[in-house]
Amino acid sequence: SAVISQKPSRDICQRGTSLTIQCQVDSQVTMMFWYRQQPGQSLTLIATANQGSEATYESGFVIDKFPISRPNLTFSTLTVSNMSPEDSSIYLCSVGDIWDYGYTFGSGTRLTVV
Amino acid sequence: KQEVTQIPAALSVPEGENLVLNCSFTDSAIYNLQWFRQDPGKGLTSLLLIQSSQREQTSGRLNASLDKSSGRSTLYIAASQPGDSATYLCAVRYTEETSGSRLTFGEGTQLTVNP
Repeated sequence: SAVISQKPSRDICQRGTSLTIQCQVDSQVTMMFWYRQQPGQSLTLIATANQGSEATYESGFVIDKFPISRPNLTFSTLTVSNMSPEDSSIYLCSVGDIWDYGYTFGSGTRLTVV
Repeated sequence: KQEVTQIPAALSVPEGENLVLNCSFTDSAIYNLQWFRQDPGKGLTSLLLIQSSQREQTSGRLNASLDKSSGRSTLYIAASQPGDSATYLCAVRYTEETSGSRLTFGEGTQLTVNP
């Protein structure tokens, strides 16, 4: 299965600022997924990112707040914009395995907004 | 609505005990089901993947079963150890798109194994 390097692992940010999270995959993948995990809750899909096209956002998530880039088949970024304390969460990227259709996740970014 | 439910929400056991974590899903038309482990503040580690055509998968002390007709999966952990303490998440993939699809996650079971 793919190996994903996610950065940063954690950050503490001031409200009103933005943070960009990076995910690098060791193989080419068609689709990458970005999830949010709020404290004490399970994972919620933010968007699906295809290379060369606009990301597809889930209900409740908008591009202005969570812009995503997907410049090539091994890399993607998620930006959390104009942050508020409610954005404090763990953010995770994920890719699917084309052979067994299982999913691999990055190590997560633990974001605290103060 | 496709939902995934995990019971119990939390479980505390003494070291060495065998235990079962439960996952139920509302739509039997699943593609596969995956069990993950999550340590506090960290990402997800895949434990076992069961395709819809399979009944169970085993890896070391872990065994996962799948019963599509009843909408249930169980994760069996044998001879539990303190290092097994983590949150265990069940996730279901409902579509057959080969290019990937969303996962629907349960709320997780927080397991504590006491020495």
